[in-house]
Amino acid sequence: EAQVTQNPRYLITVTGKKLTVTCSQNMNHEYMSWYRQDPGLGLRQIYYSMNVEVTDKGDVPEGYKVSRKEKRNFPLILESPSPNQTSLYFCASSPRTSSETQYFGPGTRLLVL
Amino acid sequence: SQKIEQNSEALNIQEGKTATLTCNYTNYSPAYLQWYRQDPGRGPVFLLLIRENEKEKRKERLKVTFDTTLKQSLFHITASQPADSATYLCALSPSGTYKYIFGTGTRLKVLA
Repeated sequence: EAQVTQNPRYLITVTGKKLTVTCSQNMNHEYMSWYRQDPGLGLRQIYYSMNVEVTDKGDVPEGYKVSRKEKRNFPLILESPSPNQTSLYFCASSPRTSSETQYFGPGTRLLVL
Repeated sequence: SQKIEQNSEALNIQEGKTATLTCNYTNYSPAYLQWYRQDPGRGPVFLLLIRENEKEKRKERLKVTFDTTLKQSLFHITASQPADSATYLCALSPSGTYKYIFGTGTRLKVLA
């Protein structure tokens, strides 16, 4: 089944404890992206990747890192999480950088205490 | 400043009626605009895309219009059903970038 998977789906952590949220797609998509969704603010893009080893900042990259070493995987790294990073996170992918449709993962709900 | 705005209040309509959702943007010149559906706790699902040179696009009971002069897109669901109840998001990619900007979404509730 073609899909975008994220792990973990739910995570409770404490301030400053490094964490990684994984994202994987099995559709051979070039473009991958991370978003956070907060009430009243909607979906905001954190980082995106046009292909392997090519990444760029979205609108809210502060406090996050990403890497794209393989086409299928695009992990989101929080080196030192803070409570303001408590949010619902979505990974998405598109067949090509110029594609106009994104396929979203199921989301990861993160609580930073 | 650049903004993309949707009706922040929920829209309640009676089953069988046409729902119309609005997406307005300022200081962008997008090549296309997208509409997604999102159910509670789930990821958005792509519905329709309309390009800047298209006035209208249809898919089954869905219709999207795009007015680049008004900087507005309208999303219509005809013969609405309770199963259409969800939050609907519009999104655009600013010309010359690979970013995506989403509106905050409009929550639609179709009453039986």
